[in-house]
Amino acid sequence: QITLKESGPTLVKPTQTLTLTCTFSGFSLSTSGVGVGWIRQPPGKALEWLALIYWDDDKRYSPSLKSRLTITKDTSKNQVVLTMTNMDPVDTATYYCANYGDYVGCVYWGQGTLVTVSS
Amino acid sequence: DIQMTQSPSTLSASVGDRVTITCRASQSISSWLAWYQQKPGKAPKLLIYKASSLESGVPSRFSGSGSGTEFTLTISSLQPDDFATYYCQQYNSYFLTFGGGTKVEIK
Repeated sequence: QITLKESGPTLVKPTQTLTLTCTFSGFSLSTSGVGVGWIRQPPGKALEWLALIYWDDDKRYSPSLKSRLTITKDTSKNQVVLTMTNMDPVDTATYYCANYGDYVGCVYWGQGTLVTVSS
Repeated sequence: DIQMTQSPSTLSASVGDRVTITCRASQSISSWLAWYQQKPGKAPKLLIYKASSLESGVPSRFSGSGSGTEFTLTISSLQPDDFATYYCQQYNSYFLTFGGGTKVEIK
């Protein structure tokens, strides 16, 4: 059974750095072809893909947010960490992590975590 | 970047109706397209991958078609559980992209 769960602060101040952790089970991020991605959704708005890290440490970022994002993995802990710098109120959103495969897309998703950016 | 455009943005339909949602890519993505269903307060759920492959456990009333730049998601007979928002996503390019979503409402 594959599960993913996001964790991190629910409230951050403008200009601060957000660090989110995705802890997963039921699959290994050292298996060929496997990835973990981050997606966010502002309240009442559409999904937006942020970043993806593959089993071989290949990393991909949304072009519009690339300068602010860093994605890393800790295979031994079954965790993927996303950091986003210089947070702004427009970054208020539910942040999801998802298991990703090149053939199938995002099959398994975490429950999401709402991050509010406010002073 | 590849842009994904869904239409319509909102759709009003009745139980039993046949519903079709369209997703257009700004350039060819072959068949690397997925469809997701999202209900309020919940994570998206994968319905269709590789444009027309039904994810395990998804009812057969859902189907996907298309290739290149134009794709459709069809619900053959809308059920009460199907009122939700649907998103397409391309995974052909180096960057992934979602469409803007289609909300299926009760008529």
